[in-house]
Amino acid sequence: QKEVEQDPGPLSVPEGAIVSLNCTYSNSAFQYFMWYRQYSRKGPELLMYTYSSGNKEDGRFTAQVDKSSKYISLFIRDSQPSDSATYLCAMIPNSGGYQKVTFGTGTKLQVIP
Amino acid sequence: DSGVTQTPKHLITATGQRVTLRCSPRSGDLSVYWYQQSLDQGLQFLIQYYNGEERAKGNILERFSAQQFPDLHSELNLSSLELGDSALYFCASSVGDSYGYTFGSGTRLTVV
Repeated sequence: QKEVEQDPGPLSVPEGAIVSLNCTYSNSAFQYFMWYRQYSRKGPELLMYTYSSGNKEDGRFTAQVDKSSKYISLFIRDSQPSDSATYLCAMIPNSGGYQKVTFGTGTKLQVIP
Repeated sequence: DSGVTQTPKHLITATGQRVTLRCSPRSGDLSVYWYQQSLDQGLQFLIQYYNGEERAKGNILERFSAQQFPDLHSELNLSSLELGDSALYFCASSVGDSYGYTFGSGTRLTVV
């Protein structure tokens, strides 16, 4: 079993829809949680960064962490065709830096105009 | 443009060959990380260098090696290539271990 599980999709939604992307994890030591967006033929770029449990909002994006359930989510409101990309969750344990980051395999999202 | 430069963008080579991938970190960043991304495994951490010294090792094969030079650019050497080594190889750079972690656009390696 992988430490971080992510539904690979693809997920196809109409423009304007609310998108929910999720990851589950097994390592209770994870304390830092990130979401990356990766466009085709590009490197991952950081979207959201949260520490421990709770919600964080940035424009149309909301990240949620539920440590009791070992479950994190990224919500995208009013989705746009430009949001079409692969979304990767990533986690770091409390004792580690970026060399200890574990990535999910990514969910491919397509927003249809 | 993230500021992290990787060359070449694409590489096609035969099994058994050796290739070198290059990464120039963002200005001011001392750490360089190398990753392999395949469809089924996702992003796998290979190795980290910090200011010229190896800092951490991940799932890096013995056929693979890396180094970071005094000007802070890094090279990943892949030898005795196998078909299964075909993947995207990314580098990322950061100031230290915990801040400003940015990826390059990757090198797509195809082994035929």
